[in-house]
Amino acid sequence: QTVVTQEPSLSVSPGGTVTLTCGLSSGSVSTNYYPSWYQQTPGQAPRTIIYSTNTRSSGVPDRFSGSIHGNKVALIITGAQAEDDADYYCVLYMGSGIWLFGGGTKLTVL
Amino acid sequence: EVHLVESGGGLIQPGGSLRLSCAASGFTVNTNFMNWVRQAPGKGLEWVSVLFGGGTIYYADSVRGRFTISRDSSKNTVYLQMNSLRLEDTAVYYCAKGSMPANLYYFDSWGQGTLVTVSS
Repeated sequence: QTVVTQEPSLSVSPGGTVTLTCGLSSGSVSTNYYPSWYQQTPGQAPRTIIYSTNTRSSGVPDRFSGSIHGNKVALIITGAQAEDDADYYCVLYMGSGIWLFGGGTKLTVL
Repeated sequence: EVHLVESGGGLIQPGGSLRLSCAASGFTVNTNFMNWVRQAPGKGLEWVSVLFGGGTIYYADSVRGRFTISRDSSKNTVYLQMNSLRLEDTAVYYCAKGSMPANLYYFDSWGQGTLVTVSS
């Protein structure tokens, strides 16, 4: 059974840069999986951050970017702000109408 | 402006049934792919089901055979009929609008969710 992998937790200092990654338990992630990223704060619905690997959703600050990172995809936050303290989820489209979420990364800005 | 409002959640006994609704505004549900995504308490997000604009439907293995997604174009509403509910179906259920064009395969708008609690 295929699993989408993410770091369970990461921390970053305000103003710092952090890279969150998203991989597959078997194989490499490519643009063919249409990777997307979602941010969620406690008690709130998810918010779309990045789609198609590296396209920012409307209204998302340009400190958020996406890229291929070796055999994974990455969400990079450059110049982290206190409001970026949240959970981040990667989603891959597996084809045949099936999406898989990663387990999420809890990002702490401190 | 796109707006999604879920309703229909509540407390239900194991083995029971519940129907969730997702009322949409600002777009037409039958021209977008519409999804249900759930989140168990303290856990991550899990994709549940999709209904494509052309009518094709898919389900996650965990709900196939028990849940049914549908839509009513006249009400611009998407539904999730949940039967044979189990304790592990306890979650906040989110309605998520699919991207336009559909072949970008991401979720571009989300509702606020409705809580389903399966408990005896």
